[in-house]
Amino acid sequence: KAGVTQTPRYLIKTRGQQVTLSCSPISGHRSVSWYQQTPGQGLQFLFEYFSETQRNKGNFPGRFSGRQFSNSRSEMNVSTLELGDSALYLCASSFSGGSTDTQYFGPGTRLTVL
Amino acid sequence: DAKTTQPPSMDCAEGRAANLPCNHSTISGNEYVYWYRQIHSQGPQYIIHGLKNNETNEMASLIITEDRKSSTLILPHATLRDTAVYYCIVRGRGQNFVFGPGTRLSVLP
Repeated sequence: KAGVTQTPRYLIKTRGQQVTLSCSPISGHRSVSWYQQTPGQGLQFLFEYFSETQRNKGNFPGRFSGRQFSNSRSEMNVSTLELGDSALYLCASSFSGGSTDTQYFGPGTRLTVL
Repeated sequence: DAKTTQPPSMDCAEGRAANLPCNHSTISGNEYVYWYRQIHSQGPQYIIHGLKNNETNEMASLIITEDRKSSTLILPHATLRDTAVYYCIVRGRGQNFVFGPGTRLSVLP
């Protein structure tokens, strides 16, 4: 079974721009979660989508948004980029997101904001 | 905030068992203990999880104390490729995965 894939793997943007990151979950998985990882804050939860609906949201500003498509693929968007948005963005998928569901992570997208 | 406490770093000799402790004194009855690891700049890798019984798979063993307030991840024969940050996470129904700083394990030749 193919793992979680994320595109692009690396991205360089400038302040004020917007960016869209893509995540394809493991086949059959319907829950997709997004995380931001920075050296200072560690791994932080952004949001979770299940069946095209946002089910959970972390403590991030509204500039961070996401969506999920009917095939469970997900995108996240960051508008009006700031220097502090430079991070590794990780996507994880699971079958249903239940308490015994294991999340499997993709390799991440490294975003650099100049 | 993470519900777990782990030592910031540990060393282990190659070929020896690596025992990584985790405290989760406020764990609730329906919360599971998960372990992940992250090798530099890669996505976290699932290792093992359990509720109250000890668990073993091809990667590791998870020992949970009877009162469930702490657990130990055991890598039976550590190799250099096991050098990584190890995260212990407590998660219940409807909850997100909350990652703490983890334990940086260095396997030394």
